[in-house]
Amino acid sequence: DAKTTQPNSMESNEEEPVHLPCNHSTISGTDYIHWYRQLPSQGPEYVIHGLTSNVNNRMASLAIAEDRKSSTLILHRATLRDAAVYYCILRGQGGSQGNLIFGKGTKLSVKP
Amino acid sequence: GAGVSQSPSNKVTEKGKDVELRCDPISGHTALYWYRQSLGQGLEFLIYFQGNSAPDKSGLPSDRFSAERTGGSVSTLTIQRTQQEDSAVYLCASSPRLAGVPYQETQYFGPGTRLLVL
Repeated sequence: DAKTTQPNSMESNEEEPVHLPCNHSTISGTDYIHWYRQLPSQGPEYVIHGLTSNVNNRMASLAIAEDRKSSTLILHRATLRDAAVYYCILRGQGGSQGNLIFGKGTKLSVKP
Repeated sequence: GAGVSQSPSNKVTEKGKDVELRCDPISGHTALYWYRQSLGQGLEFLIYFQGNSAPDKSGLPSDRFSAERTGGSVSTLTIQRTQQEDSAVYLCASSPRLAGVPYQETQYFGPGTRLLVL
């Protein structure tokens, strides 16, 4: 399976933008890039996904590099509630086809 | 609408006892997944049900673990002769099947069952 690499942890200040990077240099052409997050003591929740073009939704934006070997999850204004572990996951022929394969993710801390 | 629910929310048992964990997926979702998360560890896939297909059991750690899904809805994860290393949060997720657009469906997770084996 194609793997993803994320920093172990990041810090942000409240109300500032946060850019969470993910490297996936072995991504295959049909793999979708999914992001989930897990707030403390909760199950993971879906954030966003994309294939080639940048994507926006009410939670975040996803910027995908032109060669698709990396992507960045963007939280435009971090709040205390955004403190969580963020997982970048590939789904497709090169990634997981059924279950999600979670790595260690990036633990985001948000300071008031 | 109602999300994925799991019961019990917490379970304490003695080593060697059997436990059953229940998952009620979102109505209409054809796929159901079980994962577990040990203290300080990542999420580990256990088993996956998709419609009427044979389940993918490739993640089950031992033959003490089994799961069934009745009527394509509710699922029960059973752990026989529990061991202390089985202590973890057991998470259930469900997802719809999106015809023609594989790999894009969202998995919706329940709150988990926290299992402690003494």
